Amino acid sequence: DQQVKQNSPSLSVQEGRISILNCDYTNSMFDYFLWYKKYPAEGPTFLISISSIKDKNEDGRFTVFLNKSAKHLSLHIVPSQPGDSAVYFCAASASGGSNYKLTFGKGTLLTVNP
Amino acid sequence: DADVTQTPRNRITKTGKRIMLECSQTKGHDRMYWYRQDPGLGLRLIYYSFDVKDINKGEISDGYSVSRQAQAKFSLSLESAIPNQTALYFCATSDSGEVGSYNEQFFGPGTRLTVL
Repeated sequence: DQQVKQNSPSLSVQEGRISILNCDYTNSMFDYFLWYKKYPAEGPTFLISISSIKDKNEDGRFTVFLNKSAKHLSLHIVPSQPGDSAVYFCAASASGGSNYKLTFGKGTLLTVNP
Repeated sequence: DADVTQTPRNRITKTGKRIMLECSQTKGHDRMYWYRQDPGLGLRLIYYSFDVKDINKGEISDGYSVSRQAQAKFSLSLESAIPNQTALYFCATSDSGEVGSYNEQFFGPGTRLTVL
């Protein structure tokens, strides 16, 4: 049973436009969410996170929105740049004793066209 | 210099061979993890270690074993490799932090393993 779902395997956008990557989760114990970015031949790198006590977190061009009632989060990239082309993984964690464990989605390949 | 390093970066081996993948970190983190990534499946946790004497199975530990030789070193072994263990393997580290908090995991560059 997949607890973190990224239903779009790929997304293509034009440079300068907004990229919106979506993620849904089913486990109501999840209370911390992260986005990782992965380039080919490299490991995932942390991009941005959000705690369940917030509904928005912003870092430069990247904003993550959390809708707890819908168990949905999204990553907005504005404006998108060709260097943003990568696979983006959504991940979730439950705080407390099991806060080590990250549950990942399958990833979304973002392509930003010049 | 990279904070989390993995060796080898690429390995091709044959069914039945024993393989060891190594991970070293200079971040001073207590916790280390091994994940595998398969196409279209995201990352799945194989083993994790909270310190040198604390090693735990993850969700897909069958066919794998680990060794935490020191705080900075965490090795993954495939005792008898099989073709469906062909995958990308990532090591990660994190700080221990406080109960109830969350600490970001930092990943190594990965090892691409092919089992023929």
